[in-house]
Amino acid sequence: EVQLLESGGALVQPGGSLRLSCAASGFTFSSHAMSWVRQAPGKGLEWISHIVGGGGSAYYADSVRGRLTISRDNSRNILYLQMSSLRAEDTAVYYCARHGGYSGSYQVDHWGQGTLVTVSS
Amino acid sequence: QSALTQPASVSGSPGQSITISCTGTSSDVGSYNFVSWYQQHPGKAPKLMIFDVSNRPSGVSSRLSGSKSGNTASLTISGLQTEDEANYYCSSFTSTNTWVFGGGTKLTVL
Repeated sequence: EVQLLESGGALVQPGGSLRLSCAASGFTFSSHAMSWVRQAPGKGLEWISHIVGGGGSAYYADSVRGRLTISRDNSRNILYLQMSSLRAEDTAVYYCARHGGYSGSYQVDHWGQGTLVTVSS
Repeated sequence: QSALTQPASVSGSPGQSITISCTGTSSDVGSYNFVSWYQQHPGKAPKLMIFDVSNRPSGVSSRLSGSKSGNTASLTISGLQTEDEANYYCSSFTSTNTWVFGGGTKLTVL
C-alpha cells in the first residue's frame, strides 16, 4: 500500500524558513516523480513543484521559484521542500504527492494527508 | 501559469447526470492528453478519479467519465449519488513541464 506521510508544518514568521519532509513507503520511490501541492485555507489546489524519479530535474511554479526548493533522498525514501523568505500567502496545507511514473508528465495518483504551514507574526 | 477555468458550482438530483468543464489553453489542455480529475471531500486529501483525459483508476466508479475537445476537458458523472457531493478539480500538464489546476467545482447533490 502506498503511504505518504508529511511532517514539518509549523507556525513561522514572515521572512522565515521551514523544511517539510514526506516519508514514502509501499512502492519503489526512485521510480516515481514526486510533487508538492498546496491548498490555502478555503481555496483550491495549487501545484508548486515536482522532481523526477532520479532527482536530476525539478520544476517550479512561478509563484514559488527562487524561494522553495524541492529535493529527494532516494536512499531513505524521503521527499523534501525547503521553504525560505516565507510570506503570508504561503499559508496553506502542503500535500506530498506521487506521480504514476518516473517523469512529472504522469498523473499524480496518490496523496499524503498534508501538513499545515502558517506564516504569521 | 494561469489556472484552468472551471465553474464554481454545479448541482443535480440523485440519479441525474452532470458535466463539469475545464478550459485551458493550447499550452496545456489543448496540447496534451495529460488531463486528470480529482475529488476532494472537506478536510480530506484529493483522490484521483480520471487520468489521461478518460482513464479511470482501479476502484473508481464507471459512472464517471472524461473527455476532451480542443482546449476544454470535461468530467461527466451519471446516476448521481449523495456520496458524489464534493469538490472536483481538473489538472493538466503544460508546455513548460509544469502542472496547473483548475479553480475547483463544488458539486451539490440536491
